[in-house]
Amino acid sequence: QVQVVESGGGVVQPGRSVRLSCAASGFTFSSFDMHWVRQAPGKGLEWVAVISYDGINKYYADSVKGRITISRDNSKNTLYLQINSLRAEDAAVYYCARDLFSGVVMGYWGQGTLVTVSS
Amino acid sequence: QSALAQPASVSGSPGQSITISCTGTSSDVGGYNYVSWYQQHPGKAPKLIIYDVTYRPSGVSDRFSGSKSGNTASLTISGLQAEDEADYYCSSYTSSRTHVFGGGTILTVL
Repeated sequence: QVQVVESGGGVVQPGRSVRLSCAASGFTFSSFDMHWVRQAPGKGLEWVAVISYDGINKYYADSVKGRITISRDNSKNTLYLQINSLRAEDAAVYYCARDLFSGVVMGYWGQGTLVTVSS
Repeated sequence: QSALAQPASVSGSPGQSITISCTGTSSDVGGYNYVSWYQQHPGKAPKLIIYDVTYRPSGVSDRFSGSKSGNTASLTISGLQAEDEADYYCSSYTSSRTHVFGGGTILTVL
C-alpha cells in the first residue's frame, strides 16, 4: 500500500537550517509529483511546495519562496525539504503528500514531522 | 496567494445534512475544476475526501459530495454521523501552478 513517512523534525534554533525527508514505499515513486504541506500548532493547513515526478519542475508558496527548497532522489525513493534561516513562523508539523494521479491532488499523506523553532 | 474563505465552524445533528462553502477567485476555484476537500481528525493527518470538485476516492462514503458554482465550491455531508466531527479544508490549484488551502472549518455534530 502507498506509504510516505516523514522524518528530520526536531528542535532547531532560529536562523539555522533543517532538512526534512519523506521516505516513500508501495508505489513507483518516480512516477508521481510530491507535495509538502505544513500546519502550525493549532492552525490550518498551508501548502508549501510541489515537485514534479522527474524533479524538473518545482513550485513554491510565496510565503516560503527563497528560503525553502524541495528536491527528490528517485533512486532512493525519497523527497526532501530544506528550510534555511528558520523563523518562529516555520514551526509546524510538516506533511509530505503523494499526488493522486493528475498532478493537482494531494492524495496520500504521511503522519508528519514536527519542527520546533527555539533557542 | 490569499487563503480560500471557509466558515470557521458549522454544526448539525445526527442524520442532518450540512454544507461547507469555500470561496476563492477566478485565479483558483473559479478557474479550474481542481478543488479538493480534506478531513482532519485531531492529531491525525488530513485525508482526501473529494477531488476535482465532485469525485470521491475509493473508500470514501457517498455521504460526502462536492460541487462548484463560479468562485465558490461546496462540500455537503448528508446523514451526519458522530464520526464526521472533524476539521475540513478545501484546496484549489491556482493560475501560478501552486495550491492554496482554505482556513478550515470545524464541524461539530450535536
